[in-house]
Amino acid sequence: AQSVTQLDSQVPVFEEAPVELRCNYSSSVSVYLFWYVQYPNQGLQLLLKYLSGSTLVESINGFEAEFNKSQTSFHLRKPSVHISDTAEYFCAVSEATSGTYKYIFGTGTRLKVLA
Amino acid sequence: NAGVTQTPKFQVLKTGQSMTLQCAQDMNHEYMSWYRQDPGMGLRLIHYSVGAGITDQGEVPNGYNVSRSTTEDFPLRLLSAAPSQTSVYFCASSFGTGGLRQYFGPGTRLTVL
Repeated sequence: AQSVTQLDSQVPVFEEAPVELRCNYSSSVSVYLFWYVQYPNQGLQLLLKYLSGSTLVESINGFEAEFNKSQTSFHLRKPSVHISDTAEYFCAVSEATSGTYKYIFGTGTRLKVLA
Repeated sequence: NAGVTQTPKFQVLKTGQSMTLQCAQDMNHEYMSWYRQDPGMGLRLIHYSVGAGITDQGEVPNGYNVSRSTTEDFPLRLLSAAPSQTSVYFCASSFGTGGLRQYFGPGTRLTVL
């Protein structure tokens, strides 16, 4: 069975500071990995995903995440955050081999960017 | 494209009442799913469908029914609402399995008194 752990429920950070949101997963098979973002009172939107190939993936708004198979991690980073990055971020995993539609989401990390 | 739409946005029910949460998508996606979001628990899969006429249970299916008579619609039914079903419900759709992104609706906030 798969599982996703986001250890930090809340992360406060000052504007223009760097941030890392941690995600660890557990799975006995190969997985696809995702980060979704949820702005207040909205649904989730895909931020970035790792399917295969380069272990470093980037989003259009400056976030990046690195797949580390040995540490079973997929941490999300941004070198300089903005107030508009305040949102809740969810890490998710899906099995890569079985064609399953089942996604497992982490419990979320609430990023609060302070002025 | 409207994407994924959900109605209603808000709903208050009394214990034992029934209701249907509506979900529709206009992207011709085969795959649709329902999640509930509770504080500190992230999103949990309730039911999902891999095409018209095909549904399956997710992680927390008890108390909920679904059907998929068309590609576009995937309603979620609560037959006898309980306070434990107070939550925010999200519908999502996708072209396919695994590595394809899910498109989420705006959510329905349900309170059961």
